[in-house]
Amino acid sequence: QKEVEQNSGPLSVPEGAIASLNCTYSDRGSQSFFWYRQYSGKSPELIMSIYSNGDKEDGRFTAQLNKASQYVSLLIRDSQPSDSATYLCAVIPSGGYNKLIFGAGTRLAVHP
Amino acid sequence: DVKVTQSSRYLVKRTGEKVFLECVQDMDHENMFWYRQDPGLGLRLIYFSYDVKMKEKGDIPEGYSVSREKKERFSLILESASTNQTSMYLCATANEKLFFGSGTQLSVL
Repeated sequence: QKEVEQNSGPLSVPEGAIASLNCTYSDRGSQSFFWYRQYSGKSPELIMSIYSNGDKEDGRFTAQLNKASQYVSLLIRDSQPSDSATYLCAVIPSGGYNKLIFGAGTRLAVHP
Repeated sequence: DVKVTQSSRYLVKRTGEKVFLECVQDMDHENMFWYRQDPGLGLRLIYFSYDVKMKEKGDIPEGYSVSREKKERFSLILESASTNQTSMYLCATANEKLFFGSGTQLSVL
C-alpha cells in the first residue's frame, strides 16, 4: 500500500515565525510532489509543486524535496494568521495521476 | 487561470434519490476526477476520466457512476443516495497539476 504520511498537528506557531510542515512517502518511484492549502469548508488550493531534489522558493513558501530520504517539506516564512489552514501533501507515485495520493493533512495555526 | 465549476455548493437529498453532481472545466484538460473528503479519512478518489467516454474506477467507486459525454463536463451520479454518502465532493482537473473546483457539500437525510 503506497502511503503519504503527515503529522496531523495542530502545529502552532507565532506570527512572524517560520512554519515547517513535513511529509514522507513510501513509493521510491514517485515523480511529482505538491502542497495544497485548504481553509475550513473550502476546496484545496495548489500552492507549490516540486519535481527534483532540492529547494524551490515562491514568495514566502519554500518546498524541499529529498528523494533519497523520501520526504518533502514546506516552509512558510513570516507566518501570518491568514496562513492558518490545513496543508495537504500530495504525491504522484509511479503510475500516473489516477494514482495521486494525498496525505491526511497538517493543521497549522498561526497566532498573533 | 484554471476554472473548475461545480454546479451546487450545498445540496440536501433524501435517501434513495438519484443525485447528479456536475462539474465543468474551461481548460481543455483531458483528465478529470471526482473525490470525496471526509473528516479523518482525507481525500479519496471515486472515479477518474482520461478522455471523453473513458473512465476508470478509483479507490471507492461503489454506489457511484460517472458520465463524460463532452470533454469539459464530468458528472458524478449517485444511483440511490444513502446516508453514508453524506460528504464533501470535489471535482478536479489536471494537466501537469491538479486543480479543484469549489466543492459540493452533500447531505443525505
